[in-house]
Amino acid sequence: ETGVTQTPRHLVMGMTNKKSLKCEQHLGHNAMYWYKQSAKKPLELMFVYSLEERVENNSVPSRFSPECPNSSHLFLHLHTLQPEDSALYLCASSLGPGTLLNTEAFFGQGTRLTVV
Amino acid sequence: GNSVTQMEGPVTLSEEAFLTINCTYTATGYPSLFWYVQYPGEGLQLLLKATKADDKGSNKGFEATYRKETTSFHLEKGSVQVSDSAVYFCALSSRGSNFGNEKLTFGTGTRLTIIP
Repeated sequence: ETGVTQTPRHLVMGMTNKKSLKCEQHLGHNAMYWYKQSAKKPLELMFVYSLEERVENNSVPSRFSPECPNSSHLFLHLHTLQPEDSALYLCASSLGPGTLLNTEAFFGQGTRLTVV
Repeated sequence: GNSVTQMEGPVTLSEEAFLTINCTYTATGYPSLFWYVQYPGEGLQLLLKATKADDKGSNKGFEATYRKETTSFHLEKGSVQVSDSAVYFCALSSRGSNFGNEKLTFGTGTRLTIIP
């Protein structure tokens, strides 16, 4: 248990569905991240939120829409996904701006997403 | 841009064997270097880190030394156990374009299996 909780753990959705992934941390961290983990590829950073503002958007398709309503919660809204979007989606948090060089990121267990 | 290259797996060793997983990086400035481990069904956990050249990170019998001259951060353990079976990720943390916009750049991961 790392203090970062993701739900659901598994999700199967059709290409026309709309679903949301949820991430929650109560570690007092101010930065939160979404990563995509695909087989035989490096973890891909998708979005970074720092103090509830999006500071990074790595050319992610608009069918992925993040939301950070407060420093403890992060969502990833999904719509009209493609089969190649099937992957493990990991949420992470860290202390906050200016700290990641010296401290660690804490990861959730991930949501295994399958798009059919 | 920043990148991390680590040896491709899978790696299979017998219990008590010596382990080396190679990792090299490309980065501007002075990144921090990390090894994360992902046990089956779990998210990533920090295994060890080094924040400046010649630093040695160590944890649970694993070690890695930050070698700036060879841009390497190889992971080693003298005697592996079955419980070390996991996926190991090398990563670096660097400053982004704005303050607070640090990000972790990961390698592809190396799956390690230890057989009794």
